[in-house]
Amino acid sequence: DQQVKQNSPSLSVQEGRISILNCDYTNSMFDYFLWYKKYPAEGPTFLISISSIKDKNEDGRFTVFLNKSAKHLSLHIVPSQPGDSAVYFCAATPAYKYIFGTGTRLKVLA
Amino acid sequence: DAGVTQSPTHLIKTRGQQVTLRCSPKSGHDTVSWYQQALGQGPQFIFQYYEEEERQRGNFPDRFSGHQFPNYSSELNVNALLLGDSALYLCASSSQVFGTGTSGGYNEQFFGPGTRLTVL
Repeated sequence: DQQVKQNSPSLSVQEGRISILNCDYTNSMFDYFLWYKKYPAEGPTFLISISSIKDKNEDGRFTVFLNKSAKHLSLHIVPSQPGDSAVYFCAATPAYKYIFGTGTRLKVLA
Repeated sequence: DAGVTQSPTHLIKTRGQQVTLRCSPKSGHDTVSWYQQALGQGPQFIFQYYEEEERQRGNFPDRFSGHQFPNYSSELNVNALLLGDSALYLCASSSQVFGTGTSGGYNEQFFGPGTRLTVL
């Protein structure tokens, strides 16, 4: 039972353009959502988060949008940079534990 | 400020053996969570320790057990290893003190680099 889904396993974007990573969830009781970035041989690194009472949170080049009615969130990276190339995981938390999606591998082309 | 550290970085075991993985949380953190990440998958929650007790557990068999020490460090033990236990094991630390996170008060989890376990 996959409660958090990232349906795109990979995405390629040209440097300077927008990257949009998507995530869907099934449980309306989730109260907090996070995006993590993971480089090879490293643990996931926190990127940005959003509470379920908000619909947008912005931090520099990164913006997360939450559409509760559609149970959908997205991460926008503008402008994309080669250093953004990594695997991105979305996660939802119903307290204590994180439920992760399967990840999207982003490749930013120079 | 040292982040989350894990040891060892890599480990090779054979089926039926037992393994112990170790984790030291980020300074100031008192809660440790363990995750298993199989190839091509997202991390799966195993359990969380707070105040030296298991607070919540994911869908993992009793072969997976843990411990938290008074200094907040933690161990993950896996008995009777199966081939399917081969994965990256991630430790994450957090704080129960509200407001110590970087996300407007929410106490997000900080992950270590993981231990790569291979079972032959």
